[in-house]
Amino acid sequence: SQKIEQNSEALNIQEGKTATLTCNYTNYSPAYLQWYRQDPGRGPVFLLLIRENEKEKRKERLKVTFDTTLKQSLFHITASQPADSATYLCALGSGGYNKLIFGAGTRLAVHP
Amino acid sequence: EPEVTQTPSHQVTQMGQEVILRCVPISNHLYFYWYRQILGQKVEFLVSFYNNEISEKSEIFDDQFSVERPDGSNFTLKIRSTKLEDSAMYFCASSTPGTRFYEQYFGPGTRLTVT
Repeated sequence: SQKIEQNSEALNIQEGKTATLTCNYTNYSPAYLQWYRQDPGRGPVFLLLIRENEKEKRKERLKVTFDTTLKQSLFHITASQPADSATYLCALGSGGYNKLIFGAGTRLAVHP
Repeated sequence: EPEVTQTPSHQVTQMGQEVILRCVPISNHLYFYWYRQILGQKVEFLVSFYNNEISEKSEIFDDQFSVERPDGSNFTLKIRSTKLEDSAMYFCASSTPGTRFYEQYFGPGTRLTVT
């Protein structure tokens, strides 16, 4: 069955460092992958979408890579700030406007 | 920036009662979704809706669930006879063709508590 794994339950880093979050998947061939931020009790907030034919995408301090051979996406936040503390979700889409399948998320804590 | 809105933010109901969760998707969006998230678990897909009909539904979306777009702005999820296990956060999302195609934008959610 399809499986999405995000690295570790929590990631603690120091302010100013780069946070790197991992999303691995098996038994799936996504057409695109989306990253979301979720704060406690709130809805997922869209951050970035990367398509299967794209290797890398950037938006301000965020960078996403997508390796369909390794079946892995990496999500980087550079110059991290305490305000970046949240849970980050990866979600895979099979194509078109179909459903998203979500990972369990990685909780990021950025310490001053 | 346009946002998806949802009402109510919190709904408490007794087992067996009917509830309607309401969503106003982003105004020019054409594709609509409902997801749910049980406390501490993953976000799960329920149903997608396009051109006034269901495009896809999950195993969770059984006969107790229905969706409707009663007018040009609202999108509703109805649970006919709620069960304890329906307690969760319910999120509406929308998407549209164009420069941001496939991106799904979520609302803040409705917390449903079934007692």
